[in-house]
Amino acid sequence: AQSVTQLGSHVSVSEGALVLLRCNYSSSVPPYLFWYVQYPNQGLQLLLKYTSAATLVKGINDFEAEFKKSETSFHLTKPSAHMSDAAEYFCAVSKTGANNLFFGTGTRLTVIP
Amino acid sequence: GAVVSQHPSRVICKSGTSVKIECRSLDFQATTMFWYRQFPKKSLMLMATSNEGSKATYEQGVEKDKFLINHASLTLSTLTVTSAHPEDSSFYICSAFVVETQYFGPGTRLLVL
Repeated sequence: AQSVTQLGSHVSVSEGALVLLRCNYSSSVPPYLFWYVQYPNQGLQLLLKYTSAATLVKGINDFEAEFKKSETSFHLTKPSAHMSDAAEYFCAVSKTGANNLFFGTGTRLTVIP
Repeated sequence: GAVVSQHPSRVICKSGTSVKIECRSLDFQATTMFWYRQFPKKSLMLMATSNEGSKATYEQGVEKDKFLINHASLTLSTLTVTSAHPEDSSFYICSAFVVETQYFGPGTRLLVL
């Protein structure tokens, strides 16, 4: 069985500060891992994905995530938060690729001016 | 980038009526589309996988006679909630799968009175 846990339903950071959104997964096989962002009234947009290549994955808008098998984690980071980063972020896991996703409950990021 | 639209974005209906939600891939073709349901502060829950020209595959616990899915073309999938009841009120999101990525629509909020 697969599952995803996102610690912290709400995260607030100051503009320019480090963004860290946590994601831990459970999977019986080597997983595919994804981070999606959802802006208000819009669909989910793919930020980045891990597919068993490099453990440090770089995505759009300076986001990156590191796959740590020993910690079963795939935390999302960004060095410096922008106001435009305020959104809902979802971590997802799959054992077969992007056609079979299990989502976490999401983390709402607020950026404080 | 690939764009997926949903219509309507919001619908209110009376209990016992049926509601159809459309999901369209605007600038690409997708043989596979997915339908999700999202409860407040909950994960996206996969309801069914819609394949063009064949019957949809429903996840365990999802009533196929309640949630009718039609994928008649490579750019359109529809979800019909039949004989809707208040417990069907939710946020419904579709996605289209192409080139190893799911592209999501903006969602449809259904309220059944």
